[in-house]
Amino acid sequence: AQSVTQLGSHVSVSEGALVLLRCNYSSSVPPYLFWYVQYPNQGLQLLLKYTSAATLVKGINGFEAEFKKSETSFHLTKPSAHMSDAAEYFCVLITNDYKLSFGAGTTVTVRA
Amino acid sequence: DARVTQTPRHKVTEMGQEVTMRCQPILGHNTVFWYRQTMMQGLELLAYFRNRAPLDDSGMPKDRFSAEMPDATLATLKIQPSEPRDSAVYFCASGLWPNEETQYFGPGTRLLVL
Repeated sequence: AQSVTQLGSHVSVSEGALVLLRCNYSSSVPPYLFWYVQYPNQGLQLLLKYTSAATLVKGINGFEAEFKKSETSFHLTKPSAHMSDAAEYFCVLITNDYKLSFGAGTTVTVRA
Repeated sequence: DARVTQTPRHKVTEMGQEVTMRCQPILGHNTVFWYRQTMMQGLELLAYFRNRAPLDDSGMPKDRFSAEMPDATLATLKIQPSEPRDSAVYFCASGLWPNEETQYFGPGTRLLVL
């Protein structure tokens, strides 16, 4: 079965500090992986995606993620947190039949 | 700027009433999904369609939920009768498979069943 696991349901960072959200995947075939962000009372917005091209993927709002096959990981980072980054982040894997397998989500709070 | 739209954005109803949620996918997309989000279960796939044909509705309680696509620009999700445990946010998403991997989400319908 294809699935993702997000480590840590809640992350708190200071404004200007590094944001690191961890995601590990399980897949018997080369995976397509995504990070989505959900701001309060809104839908999910795509941050970035990995589709077997470059292993370092850059997304919107200064986020990037690195695909590491040896570690089955797809961690999301941003060098300097901004107050507007406070949201819930989902690591997502797409299955062969185009269904999405969601991680449980990580809520990010940013301290001034 | 093409977007998935959903109506209504909020719905409060009483137990036993029928609820209909509507979704307009992005023009040209061939695949439409319905998801439900709750605190306890997170995001769950309820059903999805490709080229208006239902492909999988195994995530839906069959006795009370139904999903249809009357035409390519409209998808509906109905609950009849509604129950308090149906309270959740319901998201519609659309995509163009296999040309593109990304699914685009609507803003959701927040449903409260009293």
